[in-house]
Amino acid sequence: NAGVTQTPKFQVLKTGQSMTLQCAQDMNHEYMSWYRQDPGMGLRLIHYSVGAGITDQGEVPNGYNVSRSTTEDFPLRLLSAAPSQTSVYFCASSYGQGSAEAFFGQGTRLTVV
Amino acid sequence: DAKTTQPNSMESNEEEPVHLPCNHSTISGTDYIHWYRQLPSQGPEYVIHGLTSNVNNRMASLAIAEDRKSSTLILHRATLRDAAVYYCILRDGVIQGAQKLVFGQGTRLTINP
Repeated sequence: NAGVTQTPKFQVLKTGQSMTLQCAQDMNHEYMSWYRQDPGMGLRLIHYSVGAGITDQGEVPNGYNVSRSTTEDFPLRLLSAAPSQTSVYFCASSYGQGSAEAFFGQGTRLTVV
Repeated sequence: DAKTTQPNSMESNEEEPVHLPCNHSTISGTDYIHWYRQLPSQGPEYVIHGLTSNVNNRMASLAIAEDRKSSTLILHRATLRDAAVYYCILRDGVIQGAQKLVFGQGTRLTINP
């Protein structure tokens, strides 16, 4: 049981480049979400999804796109990377109940130069 | 989203109990109280959750005030491995599939040997 898998673990981008951060879960969870964490800060919600085909914005969605074509995968796209997007990105998944435990990936450390 | 308030930092000694407080005065009747912790350079991990009654598991205990406006995470015998940032989060228990996990700043717990 792999849980939540994020790839890549590290990435360096040049300003203006685009890339996709991958997130996959094998627990058949309906709910998936993306967070960013800047140094010394808590996690901020970027986008989330309550099921395949349904996504919504979180606190800091600008500059990011998501889609949810399958239950298992929830990729995060950076359209035109900016230095302000340098951060650690975490993906999470859970069942869709308020009592459900959320599982987090190990994170992707992204640096935009 | 209902907010939580936690102390920025706390310190304790190894093998002593630790009580981590959380205030959530605007909690709704259907919000679950979740606790997560984040060890250095890792993604958050689930610790415990509750609704109205006190809860125990292998990691910790959760004491919930009778009016539910505050809660306390109790680590019964802290070890060095418990040094982490602890987050208290409210999660909506009504709207299935729409339970955003919104993180605050958390409490940084330091354990002295």
